[in-house]
Amino acid sequence: GDSVTQMEGPVTLSEEAFLTINCTYTATGYPSLFWYVQYPGEGLQLLLKATKADDKGSNKGFEATYRKETTSFHLEKGSVQVSDSAVYFCALGIMYSGGGADGLTFGKGTHLIIQP
Amino acid sequence: EAGVAQSPRYKIIEKRQSVAFWCNPISGHATLYWYQQILGQGPKLLIQFQNNGVVDDSQLPKDRFSAERLKGVDSTLKIQPAKLEDSAVYLCASSLGGRVRDEQFFGPGTRLTVL
Repeated sequence: GDSVTQMEGPVTLSEEAFLTINCTYTATGYPSLFWYVQYPGEGLQLLLKATKADDKGSNKGFEATYRKETTSFHLEKGSVQVSDSAVYFCALGIMYSGGGADGLTFGKGTHLIIQP
Repeated sequence: EAGVAQSPRYKIIEKRQSVAFWCNPISGHATLYWYQQILGQGPKLLIQFQNNGVVDDSQLPKDRFSAERLKGVDSTLKIQPAKLEDSAVYLCASSLGGRVRDEQFFGPGTRLTVL
C-alpha cells in the first residue's frame, strides 16, 4: 500500500540554521505530495504542495521539490526561526481511478524545536 | 471565513461505553473526511464523504465505528463500544471539491481518552 516515511524527531536546531526534513514515499500511480504543519495548540494546516514530478512547492520560506526518481519530497528552509517550532507532516494523495479522491496518507510527523 | 468546527474538544469515557463526535465543515465544501491520529503517529483516514455519499470507508472498523453525513453538511462519527486502543485525536477535514489537489482544511480535533 501507499506509505510515507519521514525522519524521526525531535530535530533541534539553533535559530538561523539550515533545515532539512527528509520525506520519502511509496505509492502506486502518481501521487500529489504535501507538507502539513501543526503549531503548538493549533490544528493541522497546509504548508506547501506539489502535484507532479519536478514541481517545487514553497511557502513562508520553506521549499520542497517533488523528485520522482528518488521518490522524495524533502522539506528545506534556509534560516529557521523560533516561530517555526512545530510538528511537520509529509503526506501523499492519489486520485481514485474512478474519479473520486483519496484522503491523504501521512507520515508519522517530525517535531522541530528551534532554540534562540 | 469560519473554519471546520468540531465538538466536543475533549472526551473521557470508560471502555465499552459509546461516544459521538460532531463536525461542521466549511460552508460549501462538498468533501468531508474523518481521520484518527494516535499519539506519535500521523493522521489515518477513517472515512471520506462526497456530499452525503461515502467515497471511501475501507479503513473504518465497521464493527464499532459508524459515521453519517446527513444532508451533505455536518457529520457525526460514533464509536460503540469503545476500546482502549481507540484513545486518539479524531480530526475532521473538509475540501471544496474533493480532488487530490484541493486543499484539505482541518478542524481542531476531539481528543478521546478511553479508560
